[in-house]
Amino acid sequence: DQQVKQNSPSLSVQEGRISILNCDYTNSMFDYFLWYKKYPAEGPTFLISISSIKDKNEDGRFTVFLNKSAKHLSLHIVPSQPGDSAVYFCAASENRDDKIIFGKGTRLHILP
Amino acid sequence: DVKVTQSSRYLVKRTGEKVFLECVQDMDHENMFWYRQDPGLGLRLIYFSYDVKMKEKGDIPEGYSVSREKKERFSLILESASTNQTSMYLCASSSLAGGKNEQFFGPGTRLTVL
Repeated sequence: DQQVKQNSPSLSVQEGRISILNCDYTNSMFDYFLWYKKYPAEGPTFLISISSIKDKNEDGRFTVFLNKSAKHLSLHIVPSQPGDSAVYFCAASENRDDKIIFGKGTRLHILP
Repeated sequence: DVKVTQSSRYLVKRTGEKVFLECVQDMDHENMFWYRQDPGLGLRLIYFSYDVKMKEKGDIPEGYSVSREKKERFSLILESASTNQTSMYLCASSSLAGGKNEQFFGPGTRLTVL
């Protein structure tokens, strides 16, 4: 049973436009959410996170929005650049638990 | 900067062989993790460790074992490799000391079992 769901396996966005990656979760005890970016043949790298006490966190071109009532979060990338083409993993953890639960990932293609 | 290193980037083994994958981190993190990544399945947790000599099963521990004799090193062992263990293996470490539950990953080992 998937606790973290990324329902779009892939997404294509024109360079310069906004990329929106979505993530849903089922466990209401999750209180910390993360996004990771992964290039082929490399390990995932941390991108941005958000605590459940916030509904938005921004870092440069990346913004994560959290809607606790809908159990939904999204990652916005503005403007999208060619180097953003990668697989993005949504992840969540509960009550400072050391484990992180990952979604299956969304492959983002930035089109020239 | 946190550095997590893995002993091999690419590895080819035969069915039935015993395989050791090594992971070392240099940030004195308490927690270490082993995942495998397969297309369409995302990152799946195999085993993790909260401290030296401690280990916990993840979601898919069957066919694997681990060893943590030193804080900085976490080894994944395939006792008898099988073709369905062909995958990308990722090691990660973390510490809750900073208040953020962020895992740092190594570059991965692409294992092919023939």
